[in-house]
Amino acid sequence: DAMVIQNPRYQVTQFGKPVTLSCSQTLNHNVMYWYQQKSSQAPKLLFHYYDKDFNNEADTPDNFQSRRPNTSFCFLDIRSPGLGDAAMYLCATSRGTGSDSPLHFGNGTRLTVT
Amino acid sequence: GNSVTQMEGPVTLSEEAFLTINCTYTATGYPSLFWYVQYPGEGLQLLLKATKADDKGSNKGFEATYRKETTSFHLEKGSVQVSDSAVYFCALPLSGGYNKLIFGAGTRLAVHP
Repeated sequence: DAMVIQNPRYQVTQFGKPVTLSCSQTLNHNVMYWYQQKSSQAPKLLFHYYDKDFNNEADTPDNFQSRRPNTSFCFLDIRSPGLGDAAMYLCATSRGTGSDSPLHFGNGTRLTVT
Repeated sequence: GNSVTQMEGPVTLSEEAFLTINCTYTATGYPSLFWYVQYPGEGLQLLLKATKADDKGSNKGFEATYRKETTSFHLEKGSVQVSDSAVYFCALPLSGGYNKLIFGAGTRLAVHP
């Protein structure tokens, strides 16, 4: 009964080759987030969607884009991955935007860039 | 904006030992505070939360009290188990009441039999 599902668990891509990570949810939550977690570091918010409204964090590189075609799915596109983009990418959802709506995380996709 | 500082690890304990992981924050107002746990190979899970000053969040034997005087939200457990081995993150909203969380650096806990 996984609620936030990320595929694949492990992704290997080549330097500069576009890659897409996917996330789906069965919770019907309004908000979906993408976090980047580098080794032994805290997760860092890249952007989020509230319904179809996209909200980018100020320091998220232009190399990172996102799409949310419907409530259930959200994609993270990395246009030209560099070695520094190797990380765990975590998708999360929440029902609303208030701090009383806990985040539900997927198990993450670990991206390796060769 | 808000920020959080978390005790560095790793923390290594024997089973049944007492655990404290320190977390302090700076914030405008009194935001909700959270502890998340990340087990090996998994995403983060909400462990507990407190929504206002003096609140105590608790779950699975873990507790944390929202202390505005010391701007702290330390995580405690009286008797840890091997299954508690994980990385623990303190978190609070980036600003205001909005649900964009910032996380501390994480504290890795290893519990040995």
